[in-house]
Amino acid sequence: DSGVTQTPKHLITATGQRVTLRCSPRSGDLSVYWYQQSLDQGLQFLIQYYNGEERAKGNILERFSAQQFPDLHSELNLSSLELGDSALYFCASSEDLRGSNYGYTFGSGTRLTVV
Amino acid sequence: DQQVKQNSPSLSVQEGRISILNCDYTNSMFDYFLWYKKYPAEGPTFLISISSIKDKNEDGRFTVFLNKSAKHLSLHIVPSQPGDSAVYFCAASARTDKLIFGTGTRLQVFP
Repeated sequence: DSGVTQTPKHLITATGQRVTLRCSPRSGDLSVYWYQQSLDQGLQFLIQYYNGEERAKGNILERFSAQQFPDLHSELNLSSLELGDSALYFCASSEDLRGSNYGYTFGSGTRLTVV
Repeated sequence: DQQVKQNSPSLSVQEGRISILNCDYTNSMFDYFLWYKKYPAEGPTFLISISSIKDKNEDGRFTVFLNKSAKHLSLHIVPSQPGDSAVYFCAASARTDKLIFGTGTRLQVFP
């Protein structure tokens, strides 16, 4: 157990629907990151939050949004889902802005399948 | 623009031999480099890191080498064990920026 909790582990939904992925960071970590991994591709950075504020944005579609709550957990909202959104979505956390000591700690991911 | 590249999608090595995984980067501002290991159905786990002020870092069977002039990073695993079979990602960041990951290399260690 890495200390980063992602729910749900699996999600199957239809095109056009909206889903919410949840992440609880490791205790004490202030930064939360979301990454997408599609079909044996690399990890594509989506967005970072630090202590409740958006810190950096990557290749995140306008249909996707995220937020970090006061208790530091984060949610990634995916709407108007398309088949191509099927992927593994990873959440990671770090104690500071860049994971200075040991990089990021990753959760086990949410596998999203859009049918 | 792929700033971190792992040009070998897969590598097969015999148990006991050395595994060498390579990574190239293009951004000269990167100053922190890491390797992650990923098993199926699990998230990536941190393996070893190196800052740009060093050219080598060792941790047990794992050694990371950094060649800044060539913008090249490598991970050596000696001796390789079957449990090392996984996908290995290299990652890099610049100052307080986010980690940029490569596409991964699948290592298979056979008996």
